[in-house]
Amino acid sequence: DIVMTQSPESLTVSLGERATINCKSSQSVLSSSNNKNSLAWYQQKPGQPPKVLIYWASTRESGVPDRFSGSGSGTDFTLTISSLQAEDVAVYYCQQYYDVPLTFGGGTKVEIK
Amino acid sequence: EVQVVESGGGLVQPGGSLRLSCAASGFSISTYYMHWVRQAPGKGLMWVSRINFDGSNTRYADSVKGRFTISRDNAKNTLYLQMNSLRVEDTAIYYCVCMGTSPPSWGQGTLVTVSS
Repeated sequence: DIVMTQSPESLTVSLGERATINCKSSQSVLSSSNNKNSLAWYQQKPGQPPKVLIYWASTRESGVPDRFSGSGSGTDFTLTISSLQAEDVAVYYCQQYYDVPLTFGGGTKVEIK
Repeated sequence: EVQVVESGGGLVQPGGSLRLSCAASGFSISTYYMHWVRQAPGKGLMWVSRINFDGSNTRYADSVKGRFTISRDNAKNTLYLQMNSLRVEDTAIYYCVCMGTSPPSWGQGTLVTVSS
């Protein structure tokens, strides 16, 4: 199984400041068939299902604010919130879909300082 | 609009059974592998099972192998999860997921509570 290691577990950031979440996979999730990284980022607020923010490591889902961006390739990935807003308080998960079982990072709880 | 909607959750006693359904709209599930993912209260996300295009190949997490059965009816555009011999630790929200659509499709989930 591909192990997804996400850091930090929690993050406290001031409004308007940058938040950075890291995700490392135990093996590459770069597909040779389409040259894309099978890596997604989700935002989950209490009582809600996970919301897709980013897929293929860097493709932003329609309607997601452009302060959210995904980067990285192979085994190392980053989710950046360029200017944290109050509505961004949530838990964020990374996930690989290169292989089964689908596996998820442990989550990063983002709070306002 | 691409959408998946889960149903069938509820309260069941340990050892009981439930059948979850996932109705898709806006796309044909026949061209995609489909998954079930669950989330126990206050916990992270855990993959449960996957089925291929025509149902001829299935995979399961070790914790549910032999107790859960994933299936699909492409004519009805619906995915299923038959859950038998339920345990307290199976208590979770169960999500129907299609990673092949762009973006990936997740439902709102259906809550399964196993308790006496």
